Amino acid sequence: SQQGEEDPQALSIQEGENATMNCSYKTSINNLQWYRQNSGRGLVHLILIRSNEREKHSGRLRVTLDTSKKSSSLLITASRAADTASYFCATDANTDKLIFGTGTRLQVFP
Amino acid sequence: EPEVTQTPSHQVTQMGQEVILRCVPISNHLYFYWYRQILGQKVEFLVSFYNNEISEKSEIFDDQFSVERPDGSNFTLKIRSTKLEDSAMYFCASSEEKAGGNRPHFGDGTRLSIL
Repeated sequence: SQQGEEDPQALSIQEGENATMNCSYKTSINNLQWYRQNSGRGLVHLILIRSNEREKHSGRLRVTLDTSKKSSSLLITASRAADTASYFCATDANTDKLIFGTGTRLQVFP
Repeated sequence: EPEVTQTPSHQVTQMGQEVILRCVPISNHLYFYWYRQILGQKVEFLVSFYNNEISEKSEIFDDQFSVERPDGSNFTLKIRSTKLEDSAMYFCASSEEKAGGNRPHFGDGTRLSIL
């Protein structure tokens, strides 16, 4: 598998439900970041979690990091139609660049 | 919050032509990056730039690509002779520290269409 793979590839839920997306990576990291991208638009930074952190919150977002399993999850609570977008994790892999995952396409139906 | 700005937002170019994509990073940032995203695919690293030189580049960044910081504020990506497969969204990013230190700030991207 590649550095940074999200699952599921696509997720459809109703407004008000929670959405959970997972990311796995292969190498050691300094930090892991989650980004959102609306169709054909730019990258919006959501959260950065450092390798010595286990959980981080920002509004309706909750990110966990398990470095022993080399995995992270992004939870969006009480989802809204406006949350419809693609979500990517990105790791630095101890290098001077970000390696992005393949992304999860989230569709939230009103 | 300061922003990274990219121009143009959309560039249409004939195959074989040269194209220059422009970026204005955040003024106190020291590290600069270009990434690209082919439609429907993931974002891929192209090149990082620090202290007026390339610090890392990917396999994608071949001899047809070059970067420059001509005047201390702009950061440009040049593709010398464009190919159809260069069609993609190109994102510029800048950061105060290396990618492992804190988050890079991304611009909104330039959509490059090669005809």
